[in-house]
Amino acid sequence: DVKVTQSSRYLVKRTGEKVFLECVQDMDHENMFWYRQDPGLGLRLIYFSYDVKMKEKGDIPEGYSVSREKKERFSLILESASTNQTSMYLCASSSDLAKNIQYFGAGTRLSVL
Amino acid sequence: AQKITQTQPGMFVQEKEAVTLDCTYDTSDPSYGLFWYKQPSSGEMIFLIYQGSYDQQNATEGRYSLNFQKARKSANLVISASQLGDSAMYFCAMREDLHYNQGGKLIFGQGTELSVKP
Repeated sequence: DVKVTQSSRYLVKRTGEKVFLECVQDMDHENMFWYRQDPGLGLRLIYFSYDVKMKEKGDIPEGYSVSREKKERFSLILESASTNQTSMYLCASSSDLAKNIQYFGAGTRLSVL
Repeated sequence: AQKITQTQPGMFVQEKEAVTLDCTYDTSDPSYGLFWYKQPSSGEMIFLIYQGSYDQQNATEGRYSLNFQKARKSANLVISASQLGDSAMYFCAMREDLHYNQGGKLIFGQGTELSVKP
């Protein structure tokens, strides 16, 4: 069975803190993705990675960075959290870019105060 | 211009009845893929069904089928025999293959909230 695990369901952080969101998949997928989901704006791609140590910017990379040191783990980093980064963050993985069927984790609801 | 349009913000259906969720898309790419995802209130996005632009037959997965009308650029999701557990947000998404080098990005619609009545 497909399994994408996000380390936290809920997080509350203060403005200016460094925040790490972790995502692990156990399907040996090459590709991993980070989205944020906001009411009225839908899902927007932040960053993705198609291989270890590789990363590509999505539509809204500003204020974020990512790390992929191992195939199964993709981390999203908020270097200095701001209130406008309060959102639902969703991680996904896929085995190939041909079909690119993405399997998602349960999401992390981040509140920045 | 919207690439994926879901015109029904919310819908109700009686338990055990069938329901159709609308999705239209806009692309000039001859090769693309269409997806439907379900998002319950818990937040997880669950993959339901996939249709490739060159697939001859409409995709089916259990109670889910995708009514693919290429000329009309529509990819409606049909759920047969609705169950209470089908109450959720449903998202239509598209992959355009001209964007292959951009990681096969998925473009999502705004979603339709389905409520199943007992």
